Amino acid sequence: EAGVAQSPRYKIIEKRQSVAFWCNPISGHATLYWYQQILGQGPKLLIQFQNNGVVDDSQLPKDRFSAERLKGVDSTLKIQPAKLEDSAVYLCASSLEGLSNQPQHFGDGTRLSIL
Amino acid sequence: AQSVAQPEDQVNVAEGNPLTVKCTYSVSGNPYLFWYVQYPNRGLQFLLKYITGDNLVKGSYGFEAEFNKSQTSFHLKKPSALVSDSALYFCAVSPRGSTLGRLYFGRGTQLTVWP
Repeated sequence: EAGVAQSPRYKIIEKRQSVAFWCNPISGHATLYWYQQILGQGPKLLIQFQNNGVVDDSQLPKDRFSAERLKGVDSTLKIQPAKLEDSAVYLCASSLEGLSNQPQHFGDGTRLSIL
Repeated sequence: AQSVAQPEDQVNVAEGNPLTVKCTYSVSGNPYLFWYVQYPNRGLQFLLKYITGDNLVKGSYGFEAEFNKSQTSFHLKKPSALVSDSALYFCAVSPRGSTLGRLYFGRGTQLTVWP
C-alpha cells in the first residue's frame, strides 16, 4: 500500500511571500489532516477534512493559512503571506474514517524555512 | 483542556538494556492512547494504541506500552533496546467518543541507544 505523499520536501522563502504544499493521502482514506510541527514540539492540528468537507479548522490561522480538498482526495495547504514564525515542518496525515480509535498515517512532511 | 506530558526530553540507554519512555495525560473521559515514532527527516510512524481491555499493549518492533488509569499514564517500554531504536517518540491521545479523531501530542522524547 502506497503511503501518504507530500511535496515539496523542502521549501525556503522570504517573509511575506506565499507558499503551497501538496498532499495525496492513502487511497480510500476519507479523512485528511494537516499538522504543523515546530522544532522541539509535538505536531499541532491545523485542519481536518472528511472527504471534501472541513470538520475542524479551529487552530488554523485563517488570516494567512488556507486549505482545500476539492475532490475529496488530494489537498493543498497555502500560506500567504508567510511570517518568520511559520518556519516548521508541515505534516499531512490520513485515516480510513477519521474515528478517534483509528491510527493516522503520516507523510514525510514539508520543511519550510522563512528567511 | 486536553494535554499530554512527556516529562523527559531525552532518554539514554545502553543497547540490550530495557527502556521506558514516560507519558501522562490530562483528558476528559477515557481517551484512546497512541505512541508514534519519528526518524530524522521522516513523518511519524504508528507504533501501538490502547483502546480497551488488557493494560499491556503490544506493538511494532518489540515495543509495548502499559496503561495505568489511576495514574493517567501510558508508558512505552521495550525489554531490550537496539541502536536502531534511536529516534523521537511521541505520545498522543484522542478523546473517546469524539467524531473528529483529533490527536493531541506530547512534546516528544528523544531516545538514544548507544552500542
